[in-house]
Amino acid sequence: AQSVTQPDIHITVSEGASLELRCNYSYGATPYLFWYVQSPGQGLQLLLKYFSGDTLVQGIKGFEAEFKRSQSSFNLRKPSVHWSDAAEYFCAVAITGGGNKLTFGTGTQLKVEL
Amino acid sequence: DAGVTQSPTHLIKTRGQQVTLRCSPKSGHDTVSWYQQALGQGPQFIFQYYEEEERQRGNFPDRFSGHQFPNYSSELNVNALLLGDSALYLCASSNRQGTYEQYFGPGTRLTVT
Repeated sequence: AQSVTQPDIHITVSEGASLELRCNYSYGATPYLFWYVQSPGQGLQLLLKYFSGDTLVQGIKGFEAEFKRSQSSFNLRKPSVHWSDAAEYFCAVAITGGGNKLTFGTGTQLKVEL
Repeated sequence: DAGVTQSPTHLIKTRGQQVTLRCSPKSGHDTVSWYQQALGQGPQFIFQYYEEEERQRGNFPDRFSGHQFPNYSSELNVNALLLGDSALYLCASSNRQGTYEQYFGPGTRLTVT
């Protein structure tokens, strides 16, 4: 079965600094990959997705992610973090041909220092 | 365009009771999935409904059941509630013929005492 690992439970960055959140997946083929953001008490908002093609994908709110097949990774990046980016971030995968059931990582809690 | 809506927002139940949660999908979507998110965890897939039938199921006991109506809305039922069922229950909708994108509702916070 597929699995998703987000190695960093908590990350703190200063406002204006760059950000990288790590995500590794375990699956025999290339899955569909997603990053979601969850603000306190809220549902999940889709930031970006990778299905195929260009391995660098752009999302909303200035986020981007790069798919690296050799490393089974899909890390999320942002060049300059804003205080409003403080939230929990989830990486998720869906296996091709398996419906669109999502398997999520345990999340990374981002704190932004002013 | 209304997004995914869920009701109620919060719910408190006692062990052994039964609960029903409701979800209306985003306009144009025909598939509804339910997820359970325990505190400090990522969402876990419960099941998915399409054409009023359960199509996929995660590793959850039969106490968890669901239904999809002709208008694509859905219910999640949990019987014989346990303390461990306390969680945020998220509904997600998608279009079966479209991409794998799922849009999530705000969730229902269930507390079992």
